[in-house]
Amino acid sequence: ILNVEQSPQSLHVQEGDSTNFTCSFPSSNFYALHWYRWETAKSPEALFVMTLNGDEKKKGRISATLNTKEGYSYLYIKGSQPEDSATYLCAFISGSGGGADGLTFGKGTHLIIQP
Amino acid sequence: DAGITQSPRHKVTETGTPVTLRCHQTENHRYMYWYRQDPGHGLRLIHYSYGVKDTDKGEVSDGYSVSRSKTEDFLLTLESATSSQTSVYFCAISESRQGSATIYFGEGSWLTVV
Repeated sequence: ILNVEQSPQSLHVQEGDSTNFTCSFPSSNFYALHWYRWETAKSPEALFVMTLNGDEKKKGRISATLNTKEGYSYLYIKGSQPEDSATYLCAFISGSGGGADGLTFGKGTHLIIQP
Repeated sequence: DAGITQSPRHKVTETGTPVTLRCHQTENHRYMYWYRQDPGHGLRLIHYSYGVKDTDKGEVSDGYSVSRSKTEDFLLTLESATSSQTSVYFCAISESRQGSATIYFGEGSWLTVV
């Protein structure tokens, strides 16, 4: 079983501040890393799928970077807004890939934006 | 939003009773998955399907069975529910099996076994 760690487990941020959190995964035999945003009682929403070392992805105020050699990805949120409050999940897939049957999810970072 | 509907969305059932959760998709995606989400754990795969009548086990398949008789429907059955199966169950779909394919999730089914 692969080890995918997310830190911190939870995070309180003031509205307007920027923040970031980490997903760590095995650095060998990388295939892809997924980021999801999950609001309670809603569907987890795909944010990014990252496949190349050095990848940087951006969606509005949210961006992500990927370092496959050292086994980590950062998710950044610029100018946090209350609607950013959610749990952010990362999922790693190794080797030859496979689909969602091969994804290993982290436990998530629970982000709370305080007005 | 991807066209994925899970039913029921909430259910309370008694230990030992059978329970079936339904996932219905309108995207005509080939691959469908059932996950469970528990406190202190990441999403864990229960079973998945790679086509009509083609299914396989995931990481936590014990106590669960699945069926897929049509492209659009993937059923998860707990033959005899136990308290350890109290969880949030997510259905997911993908068009491709590639690890870089986007996975789309349903809104979840909250199951409580008392």
